[in-house]
Amino acid sequence: QKEVEQNSGPLSVPEGAIASLNCTYSDRGSQSFFWYRQYSGKSPELIMSIYSNGDKEDGRFTAQLNKASQYVSLLIRDSQPSDSATYLCAVSKEAAGNKLTFGGGTRVLVKP
Amino acid sequence: KAGVTQTPRYLIKTRGQQVTLSCSPISGHRSVSWYQQTPGQGLQFLFEYFSETQRNKGNFPGRFSGRQFSNSRSEMNVSTLELGDSALYLCASSSDGLGPQHFGDGTRLSIL
Repeated sequence: QKEVEQNSGPLSVPEGAIASLNCTYSDRGSQSFFWYRQYSGKSPELIMSIYSNGDKEDGRFTAQLNKASQYVSLLIRDSQPSDSATYLCAVSKEAAGNKLTFGGGTRVLVKP
Repeated sequence: KAGVTQTPRYLIKTRGQQVTLSCSPISGHRSVSWYQQTPGQGLQFLFEYFSETQRNKGNFPGRFSGRQFSNSRSEMNVSTLELGDSALYLCASSSDGLGPQHFGDGTRLSIL
């Protein structure tokens, strides 16, 4: 079992729709959770961080964390073609210092 | 505020050679982490340095090493290069232990 799992996609969504991305993790000690966006040929860009159960909203992005279910999700509202990218889920815990463990990423395609 | 700067952007080496990659973190950030990204393995943690000390190390052979200087700049060295070392090497910095990490543009290393 991988430590952090994501559906590789591609997740195809029409422009203006909501894209829903899921991520599960195996280490119950995980404390910090991050979503990165990576365009093809570019480096990962941090878009959301979440540390406690519940929802966190930032513009068109909402991250949801459920530690009991070991599940973190990302919603992208009003999806735009520019949102087409690979979205990486990453987790860390204090005992591991600043080590981020990444999922394999979900490729999102927003079609006009 | 300047972002994370990695040099060089591209590098071509042959098997058996060694290489040194450089990373300058965001001003004020004391933690620098290194990651390797390949199509097959995804993003994998190499090591992290904080205040010139290696705080955590991933599961890579001893050919991969690093260091951090008093100004927080970091270097990563790979000796006796192998074909499988071809990858995008990413550096990320954060202000402290568990804060969000911000990535540089990466160094793309190709081994011939």
